[in-house]
Amino acid sequence: SQQGEEDPQALSIQEGENATMNCSYKTSINNLQWYRQNSGRGLVHLILIRSNEREKHSGRLRVTLDTSKKSSSLLITASRAADTASYFCATFSGTYKYIFGTGTRLKVLA
Amino acid sequence: AAGVIQSPRHLIKEKRETATLKCYPIPRHDTVYWYQQGPGQDPQFLISFYEKMQSDKGSIPDRFSAQQFSDYHSELNMSSLELGDSALYFCASSLIGLAEPEQFFGPGTRLTVL
Repeated sequence: SQQGEEDPQALSIQEGENATMNCSYKTSINNLQWYRQNSGRGLVHLILIRSNEREKHSGRLRVTLDTSKKSSSLLITASRAADTASYFCATFSGTYKYIFGTGTRLKVLA
Repeated sequence: AAGVIQSPRHLIKEKRETATLKCYPIPRHDTVYWYQQGPGQDPQFLISFYEKMQSDKGSIPDRFSAQQFSDYHSELNMSSLELGDSALYFCASSLIGLAEPEQFFGPGTRLTVL
């Protein structure tokens, strides 16, 4: 079973709107990373947030981490059609592997 | 900047055949990870190597084996291929010596088993 679970599993919004995706995990983590994947393509690293950080920004992306609730959220502001992709969170717990959540499929309508 | 390189990018094999996937990590990265992503699925961890030694193992079938060589490149060998092995195989690398290693993925190898 996967460490990270994302919700919603699918999200459809209009261009210009904000998109929020959530990820929950089960065990203690060292860091959490968010990735984007265009259909059938590679995984693109978006942002890493450490366990001692609560919020991080990168361009139109804002990631929050709540270790007490074992959850993270990814906010994409002013979405564009090019943001259409699947978004995954992956957690690192100090072992030699990352555990991925099930992903959120985001569709941004022009 | 150099990225993770995977070859081949696409591979078509028949059932019961053997496939070898190659991964070249980012220079100076000491850890390599292999993941399998089936259609519509999330990436599943298969196996990882740190400094050429197997460091962790996930849900990797016994028909699969992998190793990391002295130049840090890694190969995933898959034998007796089954239809269900058709998937996107990703390799990733990181510098585990950092307190919070960031993982970088290659473009993936799409394996189709007919």
